[in-house]
Amino acid sequence: DSGVTQTPKHLITATGQRVTLRCSPRSGDLSVYWYQQSLDQGLQFLIQYYNGEERAKGNILERFSAQQFPDLHSELNLSSLELGDSALYFCASSAKTGSSPLHFGNGTRLTVT
Amino acid sequence: GIQVEQSPPDLILQEGANSTLRCNFSDSVNNLQWFHQNPWGQLINLFYIPSGTKQNGRLSATTVATERYSLLYISSSQTTDSGVYFCAVVTSGSRLTFGEGTQLTVNP
Repeated sequence: DSGVTQTPKHLITATGQRVTLRCSPRSGDLSVYWYQQSLDQGLQFLIQYYNGEERAKGNILERFSAQQFPDLHSELNLSSLELGDSALYFCASSAKTGSSPLHFGNGTRLTVT
Repeated sequence: GIQVEQSPPDLILQEGANSTLRCNFSDSVNNLQWFHQNPWGQLINLFYIPSGTKQNGRLSATTVATERYSLLYISSSQTTDSGVYFCAVVTSGSRLTFGEGTQLTVNP
């Protein structure tokens, strides 16, 4: 058990809808990262937050947004969903940035129909 | 950006065999991790090894940072070792860049 909790485990929704994925980092970790794993793109970095502030942005679409709350949990919001958004979405956390290992949650499997 | 290449892309073993997975990266790194993604999709953190050698049971890893590669050794493989093994690196900042992975199948 990595200590990173993601909910829900599975999500099935229709095109055009909006969903929210939730992540609770390991106790004491200040950094939260979101990754997307799709069949044709591999594991892609989306965005990072550190202690409530956005720290780095990767290949995140404008239809997607995220935030980290004062209690350090994070949410990833996906809107105007398309079939191609179907993927496994991972959250990871680390104690610091750059020099600490990342620990991944079990992921949320999103299916857009 | 940094390139991370893993080899071989696919590997099939009989239970009990040993194997070596390789990860080459194109630039200096601050962090390197090995992960195992099991058939249920979980990403398991195996090693945090920006340099040097570490061992954990039947698994060990070595990173030679000056030559920009890392090796993951699996000894006496078991069917539960099946899955995809990813190498991931950090250069500047803190984002991990993943390789394409090695798909390992261990047959009984």
